[in-house]
Amino acid sequence: EAQVTQNPRYLITVTGKKLTVTCSQNMNHEYMSWYRQDPGLGLRQIYYSMNVEVTDKGDVPEGYKVSRKEKRNFPLILESPSPNQTSLYFCASSVRDRGTDTQYFGPGTRLTVL
Amino acid sequence: LAKTTQPISMDSYEGQEVNITCSHNNIATNDYITWYQQFPSQGPRFIIQGYKTKVTNEVASLFIPADRKSSTLSLPRVSLSDTAVYYCLVGDAGKSTFGDGTTLTVKP
Repeated sequence: EAQVTQNPRYLITVTGKKLTVTCSQNMNHEYMSWYRQDPGLGLRQIYYSMNVEVTDKGDVPEGYKVSRKEKRNFPLILESPSPNQTSLYFCASSVRDRGTDTQYFGPGTRLTVL
Repeated sequence: LAKTTQPISMDSYEGQEVNITCSHNNIATNDYITWYQQFPSQGPRFIIQGYKTKVTNEVASLFIPADRKSSTLSLPRVSLSDTAVYYCLVGDAGKSTFGDGTTLTVKP
């Protein structure tokens, strides 16, 4: 089954404790993205990657890191989480076909930073 | 990136047709228009995509006028399960801006 998986689905942590949220897709997509969603603020893109070893900032990259060492994986790293990073995070992947962009989203990771 | 503008919310009743319009005045020549649906605490789901004129699939239709500065998502005969947030997205792969979306509430 074609899918985007994220782990963990739920995470409660404390300020300053490094964490990684994993994202994996099995569709051989070139493009992958991370978004966060907060009440009243909609979906905001954190980082995106257009291929292996190619990443770029989205609208809200501060406090986050990403890496794309393999095509299927795109982990999101919070080196020193803070309470304002409490949010619902979504990973997405897409293939570019004739100038279009159809994104497939993961189930989400709900992160709470105390 | 082309900025999009949608109504914040819309109400409808079961069985009615719903039309949600999105404005994208600065759409670029190569940009496609994509609509997503999102239920609470779930990731957005692709509904339909088009470049010009009309596109129809099993769940929706998308109308795009010749100047492509707007688009209209049409949902035929909505049901309670169509209550969701609908996003209009313009542009190709890479940097994506979803905007605020339209919250559609379908009433019995």
